[in-house]
Amino acid sequence: AQKITQTQPGMFVQEKEAVTLDCTYDTSDQSYGLFWYKQPSSGEMIFLIYQGSYDEQNATEGRYSLNFQKARKSANLVISASQLGDSAMYFCAMREVNSGSARQLTFGSGTQLTVLP
Amino acid sequence: EPEVTQTPSHQVTQMGQEVILRCVPISNHLYFYWYRQILGQKVEFLVSFYNNEISEKSEIFDDRFSVERPDGSNFTLKIRSTKLEDSAMYFCAIGPATYEQYFGPGTRLTVT
Repeated sequence: AQKITQTQPGMFVQEKEAVTLDCTYDTSDQSYGLFWYKQPSSGEMIFLIYQGSYDEQNATEGRYSLNFQKARKSANLVISASQLGDSAMYFCAMREVNSGSARQLTFGSGTQLTVLP
Repeated sequence: EPEVTQTPSHQVTQMGQEVILRCVPISNHLYFYWYRQILGQKVEFLVSFYNNEISEKSEIFDDRFSVERPDGSNFTLKIRSTKLEDSAMYFCAIGPATYEQYFGPGTRLTVT
């Protein structure tokens, strides 16, 4: 079974509008972390935002916020006031914090976001 | 944000040859990881390295792969007897004792 599911292979948004990128996850662990990374066409992986499973408030970093719904096992990324430079592939990832775990990340298949002028 | 550099940025090799990919974290970190991304696909975990030894490895990390930290700073991934299907972007990532993982810019490996 997929541990991280991103159901939107591609999304379009108008410049200055907000957009939500979906991510659902599957884990039986009580302690885990959820991450979003941005991958522009140049290929690098840019860390955007992190949410811990025990964090009571949704994480925010500038124009990025994470809509964390633990009961639904979803961790959607919200980008406010989209900019042309936001056009990129976005990956959701999870780290399951087990005893002895080395904390590697499991990634979803990604969502290609295109911001339209 | 910690910085990580990777060399080379692009490596072309013939099938059957050995390649060494290098990762240089700017500052000391506890955890090191290698991931790979086949073109157009998701990022996949290869191996994690903690306290100078392998912590975990995936099924992708077969006996052709090895990692080491030869001089206490560089972190290398060696692939012996390369195959066409090894062609991918290889990312090094570093992690402090908390939660972040910061990725290097990647090395694009092309096996011909």
